[in-house]
Amino acid sequence: DAGVIQSPRHEVTEMGQEVTLRCKPISGHNSLFWYRQTMMRGLELLIYFNNNVPIDDSGMPEDRFSAKMPNASFSTLKIQPSEPRDSAVYFCASSQTGGAGNSPLHFGNGTRLTVT
Amino acid sequence: GEDVEQSLFLSVREGDSSVINCTYTDSSSTYLYWYKQEPGAGLQLLTYIFSNMDMKQDQRLTVLLNKKDKHLSLRIADTQTGDSAIYFCAEVTTDSWGKFQFGAGTQVVVTP
Repeated sequence: DAGVIQSPRHEVTEMGQEVTLRCKPISGHNSLFWYRQTMMRGLELLIYFNNNVPIDDSGMPEDRFSAKMPNASFSTLKIQPSEPRDSAVYFCASSQTGGAGNSPLHFGNGTRLTVT
Repeated sequence: GEDVEQSLFLSVREGDSSVINCTYTDSSSTYLYWYKQEPGAGLQLLTYIFSNMDMKQDQRLTVLLNKKDKHLSLRIADTQTGDSAIYFCAEVTTDSWGKFQFGAGTQVVVTP
């Protein structure tokens, strides 16, 4: 089991540029979650998918953020245009049945994004 | 994470027991999780407990649940330097489907 795989591990970009973060969930998991972690706000759920369909995107901060899941083994989180306040660690997590009850989330190692 | 509360910092000497506390809000049909985050890494699942249980033990880890007070604790026996990390408590209800509520995390520092 390779775990949840995220890329890149680190991303440094200039304000106004487009940023794309990538995630490969654990094989067989049917739910995928994007979180953002900052010192000020802790862990924030941005969006989650079940069977590749977005279920709740109420945590997406604004229209500059978008997420897709074209198939069961791949998801992207895009920020366009990026701003310095987007600097954070972005985590992807997956679970087998939607994260309810005894289906825990399995996290990737995150992408540390720095927008200058 | 404001619905799940944790103390922010704990210092413990190597070999002693650590106790990390958490209070949660929803008393119905809830699973409660403990995750560990080491520097530069994601959150690693340590253990979980369902709200109809009082205690769960797994090697050096003991989870205690006080449903009346909605209080959860994680005890780490014989704490080692490798236990230095941030520990997150998380709550999820069976009808909230995917809405894990995380606490702010407790930074545990183990000193020799």
